[in-house]
Amino acid sequence: GESVGLHLPTLSVQEGDNSIINCAYSNSASDYFIWYKQESGKGPQFIIDIRSNMDKRQGQRVTVLLNKTVKHLSLQIAATQPGDSAVYFCAENMAQGETSGSRLTFGEGTQLTVNP
Amino acid sequence: ETGVTQSPTHLIKTRGQQVTLRCSSQSGHNTVSWYQQALGQGPQFIFQYYREEENGRGNFPPRFSGLQFPNYSSELNVNALELDDSALYLCASSFQGVDSPLHFGNGTRLTVT
Repeated sequence: GESVGLHLPTLSVQEGDNSIINCAYSNSASDYFIWYKQESGKGPQFIIDIRSNMDKRQGQRVTVLLNKTVKHLSLQIAATQPGDSAVYFCAENMAQGETSGSRLTFGEGTQLTVNP
Repeated sequence: ETGVTQSPTHLIKTRGQQVTLRCSSQSGHNTVSWYQQALGQGPQFIFQYYREEENGRGNFPPRFSGLQFPNYSSELNVNALELDDSALYLCASSFQGVDSPLHFGNGTRLTVT
């Protein structure tokens, strides 16, 4: 079936470098995407979202890029810090219609490790 | 603003038993969703509740059931527990309507022996 997936299971960067985490999705009808950060022993924490009518959205130190042509999503983290070490998930909203709340399909996640 | 809280944090049950997990929504949210997260995997959608009724369900058997209360809190019930039910169970709350980000609690770690 259709699902959201990630290119790399692990990513290791040096403190202060920029990080890029990639995600490929297969459902061309998806119109809403979210990035989550999950630290050990905690639930997923909302980072940033983007709707399909946008190509780019920026937050504090994070940027999400959406390329609908190739069905690719990426999360860029600027000046990566040790506190950014976590598993990062992209999620695709599979909800249908205005009466539905968001129902997310998650990828398997990328483990980001920031080395001091 | 109060976030999503779940109880208990950890639970150990025996195969065949029943379990109830609880969730309090983030203040102002009216929709509750439950997800199951197996070790090393992404969360999987179980079901969603809105206006105290089930509003969508993932690929989970009927022994997974839920409730939403007038104060938007929620319960997840699992009957006839199986070993494969061992997982982290996550509750998330949101506003009704598409494109509303889910805000998750820290989950309940269920171990079935």
